[in-house]
Amino acid sequence: GESVGLHLPTLSVQEGDNSIINCAYSNSASDYFIWYKQESGKGPQFIIDIRSNMDKRQGQRVTVLLNKTVKHLSLQIAATQPGDSAVYFCAENSGYSTLTFGKGTMLLVSP
Amino acid sequence: DTAVSQTPKYLVTQMGNDKSIKCEQNLGHDTMYWYKQDSKKFLKIMFSYNNKELIINETVPNRFSPKSPDKAHLNLHINSLELGDSAVYFCASSQIGVGGGTQYFGPGTRLTVL
Repeated sequence: GESVGLHLPTLSVQEGDNSIINCAYSNSASDYFIWYKQESGKGPQFIIDIRSNMDKRQGQRVTVLLNKTVKHLSLQIAATQPGDSAVYFCAENSGYSTLTFGKGTMLLVSP
Repeated sequence: DTAVSQTPKYLVTQMGNDKSIKCEQNLGHDTMYWYKQDSKKFLKIMFSYNNKELIINETVPNRFSPKSPDKAHLNLHINSLELGDSAVYFCASSQIGVGGGTQYFGPGTRLTVL
């Protein structure tokens, strides 16, 4: 389940389950959103993006949903694998080249 | 074939010292960034350069001075290091007007100030 610990919110799932990571963004004028994955000791890595004129976009095993009414973004990972264990960040483009990052969610996948 | 590279990966130094971190990107992007990631994993923009010109300078102490000799490089120099500067620093790059601003990150430099 999902919990808010002392540090990052953490989502613990079993291998093969579907994972849903949620993000609330702040700026209703943001028109572009990105999900990043950060593995331990590495930099954030682009996963998938979505523009504000869409409400859903699918990639390989990942889907991003955008609800502009409530300023909510989610990342769905199908058939989660141990290699998906990482910290996931949503980011919004709030003007010119600026990305504002959310606080991050740690995904822990157990075999 | 590394897209965004940073050196060094680890940097351990004493308070009061001056240090630099280098960043290079071979993606042909026109915009580069420095971010600071704290112990709680929060990523905060520090600087942004577009074609060697400073375009974003968040509230960062003036002990931090970015330098961009060309659009493929953005170095970060830090004077009079303090304990609170300990963090992981990430360089990133993007191409304005392409892909909505997707930024590509380097592997990070872990700075520890003793």
